[in-house]
Amino acid sequence: AQSVTQLGSHVSVSEGALVLLRCNYSSSVPPYLFWYVQYPNQGLQLLLKYTTGATLVKGINGFEAEFKKSETSFHLTKPSAHMSDAAEYFCAVSDPGGNEKLTFGTGTRLTIIP
Amino acid sequence: ETGVTQSPTHLIKTRGQQVTLRCSSQSGHNTVSWYQQALGQGPQFIFQYYREEENGRGNFPPRFSGLQFPNYSSELNVNALELDDSALYLCASSLGPGSEYEQYFGPGTRLTVT
Repeated sequence: AQSVTQLGSHVSVSEGALVLLRCNYSSSVPPYLFWYVQYPNQGLQLLLKYTTGATLVKGINGFEAEFKKSETSFHLTKPSAHMSDAAEYFCAVSDPGGNEKLTFGTGTRLTIIP
Repeated sequence: ETGVTQSPTHLIKTRGQQVTLRCSSQSGHNTVSWYQQALGQGPQFIFQYYREEENGRGNFPPRFSGLQFPNYSSELNVNALELDDSALYLCASSLGPGSEYEQYFGPGTRLTVT
């Protein structure tokens, strides 16, 4: 069974500061990993994903994440936070070779302080 | 290109009633997955439909059922509604059932059970 743990249900950073959202996973096989963003009253939008290959993945809106197998982590970062980054962020894992079922973490709400 | 659409956007039902939620998949997509997102939680996989057949199911009781139509749109039916069924219901469509295919999420239907 797969699981995802997101450390910190709420994270606040100042505008222009580094954003770091933490995600650790548990999986019996090398997983596919995803970060999604959800704005209020909207569905989920894919920020980035790791399947195979380069472990540093770049996504939309200046976000990136690094897959670290030894740490079973896939933390999301952005060098400089913008007010528009305020949203809920979800880390998710799926099983390569299985159906596309996504197992999500409980989410991290990011607040940007002006 | 039209994205994933869901209807209705909001719905209020009484405990014990039945509800049907609808999802139109993105053009060219043959796979639809449904997720339940309770307040403050990450989405949980309900089931997936691929070419009109159920192709995987999460840990939800049989009173949650679905259909997929020849045009690949889909319905989620919930019988004997319980208060805990109150949630945002998300559907996602993709080009295929495998985990390598990106899922595109609709805006969701918010169901309130009183």
